[in-house]
Amino acid sequence: GAGVSQSPSNKVTEKGKDVELRCDPISGHTALYWYRQRLGQGLEFLIYFQGNSAPDKSGLPSDRFSAERTGESVSTLTIQRTQQEDSAVYLCASGKDRDGNTIYFGEGSWLTVV
Amino acid sequence: EDQVTQSPEALRLQEGESSSLNCSYTVSGLRGLFWYRQDPGKGPEFLFTLYSAGEEKEKERLKATLTKKESFLHITAPKPEDSATYLCAVGNQAGTALIFGKGTTLSVSS
Repeated sequence: GAGVSQSPSNKVTEKGKDVELRCDPISGHTALYWYRQRLGQGLEFLIYFQGNSAPDKSGLPSDRFSAERTGESVSTLTIQRTQQEDSAVYLCASGKDRDGNTIYFGEGSWLTVV
Repeated sequence: EDQVTQSPEALRLQEGESSSLNCSYTVSGLRGLFWYRQDPGKGPEFLFTLYSAGEEKEKERLKATLTKKESFLHITAPKPEDSATYLCAVGNQAGTALIFGKGTTLSVSS
């Protein structure tokens, strides 16, 4: 597609369940980012993939969070044993490369943990 | 430590009342300064990229400028549809993830 695609757009889950969020980047984009945005807050960096390099995981808030990327395509963000404080919108973005180029965001996956 | 500070946090304008949003930054080797617009319930929408001091870019009622320490987003004769949160971000020499400010929420009333 023309833009970054994320699914599901909305997810309600029970506390303690695992969730998977998916991101399809723009074709040809080697860089892929995950950010978290709590209600009324700024963007919080989670993880960054660049081509075949080791991902930058420095923003992951706990070992319950993990992400994978298959080559230069789809990425999955997994949250295990969800907690209420995980409720947020999870935004994926992609860009051409790491050298300061523009990144483009998807519409986000809204996660509510009840 | 690389960081981005945006001011004001919130700005209320009357339709047609021009103003500016500020983005101050400290970064180890600037590799792009980026402006995004975010509407409620949506992902950030790209507006501008600036790479060097003195550079300016325009789009409709918006103009972005860049100095060595800050960037301004000037809004000329705003309309209610310009109401949104405006985000500023910088890229650094190390090539880590973009660093975002907390945003300025703009409300334009008719």
